[in-house]
Amino acid sequence: DQQVKQNSPSLSVQEGRISILNCDYTNSMFDYFLWYKKYPAEGPTFLISISSIKDKNEDGRFTVFLNKSAKHLSLHIVPSQPGDSAVYFCAARPLNTDKLIFGTGTRLQVFP
Amino acid sequence: EPEVTQTPSHQVTQMGQEVILRCVPISNHLYFYWYRQILGQKVEFLVSFYNNEISEKSEIFDDQFSVERPDGSNFTLKIRSTKLEDSAMYFCASRGRGSRTETGANVLTFGAGSRLTVL
Repeated sequence: DQQVKQNSPSLSVQEGRISILNCDYTNSMFDYFLWYKKYPAEGPTFLISISSIKDKNEDGRFTVFLNKSAKHLSLHIVPSQPGDSAVYFCAARPLNTDKLIFGTGTRLQVFP
Repeated sequence: EPEVTQTPSHQVTQMGQEVILRCVPISNHLYFYWYRQILGQKVEFLVSFYNNEISEKSEIFDDQFSVERPDGSNFTLKIRSTKLEDSAMYFCASRGRGSRTETGANVLTFGAGSRLTVL
């Protein structure tokens, strides 16, 4: 069974500090992992991705880490800004498919 | 910036009625998708569509569902006889052949969603 889990439904962080969002998956048959961000009344928007052969990818304030042995993915946002307040979805693409399997999302709130 | 447009934003229907959800993907995109999110649950893949045919579908996408690209610009999802459990937010997404990140992952552009409420 291919599952992606985000065990923290919400996270609250002070502006300027680091936000760490976590994601676990249950099998190794994924080739890409992606993070999407969603604001209310909008669709998910792509944030950052990582290939399964890498362990880190960085884009500005956003860094994704992949720990294959632990089947764990995390997104670091530093420094966090109030505009980062949104729901963050972890997603994974199974090998040889064109679909994404999403986690349930983590609501991040960045307060001043 | 190009957008994926979905209509209606909210539809309320009676159980057993047919519903058509409409999407206008980004104009030069070739791959089209429907996902849905039942309230409080995860976003789930329904179907992908390329070259005028379904390329992949999930177990959710049974005979009650169909997709069509009737005129080269719209991409529709039809539910023939709605059930209470079809109540969800339905997201359309599209991507072009070149819609990839530097890591090689395909990047989908999602619409804002159509909320379907079945009574």
